[in-house]
Amino acid sequence: KNEVEQSPQNLTAQEGEFITINCSYSVGISALHWLQQHPGGGIVSLFMLSSGKKKHGRLIATINIQEKHSSLHITASHPRDSAVYICAVVSGGSNYKLTFGKGTLLTVNP
Amino acid sequence: DGGITQSPKYLFRKEGQNVTLSCEQNLNHDAMYWYRQDPGQGLRLIYYSQIVNDFQKGDIAEGYSVSREKKESFPLTVTSAQKNPTAFYLCASSITGTGAQGELFFGEGSRLTVL
Repeated sequence: KNEVEQSPQNLTAQEGEFITINCSYSVGISALHWLQQHPGGGIVSLFMLSSGKKKHGRLIATINIQEKHSSLHITASHPRDSAVYICAVVSGGSNYKLTFGKGTLLTVNP
Repeated sequence: DGGITQSPKYLFRKEGQNVTLSCEQNLNHDAMYWYRQDPGQGLRLIYYSQIVNDFQKGDIAEGYSVSREKKESFPLTVTSAQKNPTAFYLCASSITGTGAQGELFFGEGSRLTVL
């Protein structure tokens, strides 16, 4: 069983819909990353969380340390949000090793 | 603009050949990483370097080698000992580690295909 589980694996939405992607993990962590991978393969860091909530534009990320769960929300989704969203956690006492989820493929249709 | 440059973007290799993937950053970051991505799997860490002239094995280092002679450069060699080298390879960097202050910056990736 992967230490980091994302759901759903695939998500299709209509433009304007509110999107939620979930990430659950089974180990104690010092930080959690949300990443976005575009069709060409390049990856961009969206958020880095150790507690609470962060917001950047239409994106919101939350984390509940006690429940070992994080969510990424996209408000007013747009076709340009179509990408793979990846959750990764920092654990095991090393700040240099991330454990990655398998990603959620989001497709937003116009 | 600051960033990470990987080259080549696409690379084809015959079995038994070593190949080297380039990764250069001008972000003045101490830490650099190499990840491998396979379809349906999460990224896996091959090697990482906390500082120049130092590097550590990640989870899947067998068949790979790296060097960190300069702060801005962290090349990855895929040797003939790597049994299944066809994959997408991503280089990344961070100021220090990937903890609470360690935003990751990624290159565009290199896709290696063994013929």
